[in-house]
Amino acid sequence: QVQLQQSGPGLVKPSQTLSLTCAISGDSVSSNSAAWNWIRQSPSRGLEWLGRTYYRSKWNNHYAISVKSRITINPDTFKNQFSLQLNSVTPEDTAVYYCVRDQDSSGWYPWGQGILVTVSS
Amino acid sequence: QSVLTQPPSVSGAPGQRVTISCTGSSSNIGAGHDVHWYQQLPGTAPKLLIYGYTNRPSGVPDRFTGSKSGTSVSLAITGLQAEDEADYYCQSYDSSLSGWVFGGGTKLTVL
Repeated sequence: QVQLQQSGPGLVKPSQTLSLTCAISGDSVSSNSAAWNWIRQSPSRGLEWLGRTYYRSKWNNHYAISVKSRITINPDTFKNQFSLQLNSVTPEDTAVYYCVRDQDSSGWYPWGQGILVTVSS
Repeated sequence: QSVLTQPPSVSGAPGQRVTISCTGSSSNIGAGHDVHWYQQLPGTAPKLLIYGYTNRPSGVPDRFTGSKSGTSVSLAITGLQAEDEADYYCQSYDSSLSGWVFGGGTKLTVL
């Protein structure tokens, strides 16, 4: 059974970098049939896809246009996890952040437990 | 304003049938991109309910059915139960945005 466990701080100061990690069990971040995504949810923006990393003979990243200039998603094959970094955050980035697997035409599951990240001084 | 449009709320009595629509455009649903549906219970992460328009993952009751017509898709829930009270979201890929998009969500109330 695949499980995703998220970790990271719940409070980030404006202009700083938001960093979260998603640890994978039951699958491999290097899987050739999966893509590993970050999504956030807020009352004002709803569910918003942020980006993904995936391995198809080489590592690939794909980012949402809305955050492309500020986001980095990195795989960590040694720890079997992937991370999100979002730079120059503002209060608008306050949201619950989720990691989730896209299993090759079988839908997006499972989801991590979610972490509420508040951007405030 | 979400790229995929859903009604904000629907309601029904126990045992009844409700449908939730999700309307897109030629750059997402109309382009043939897969549509998935998720159920989100209060305080929890979304859970995959339907994938690829009509397919149910293992463990999802057959009371949940997905369908497609043109640039719209629908989720039907029959035999409503109190435990179905949740938010429901549709999701697809949008070619114009080069990314995945969600509907704004529909809150189902079981009367």
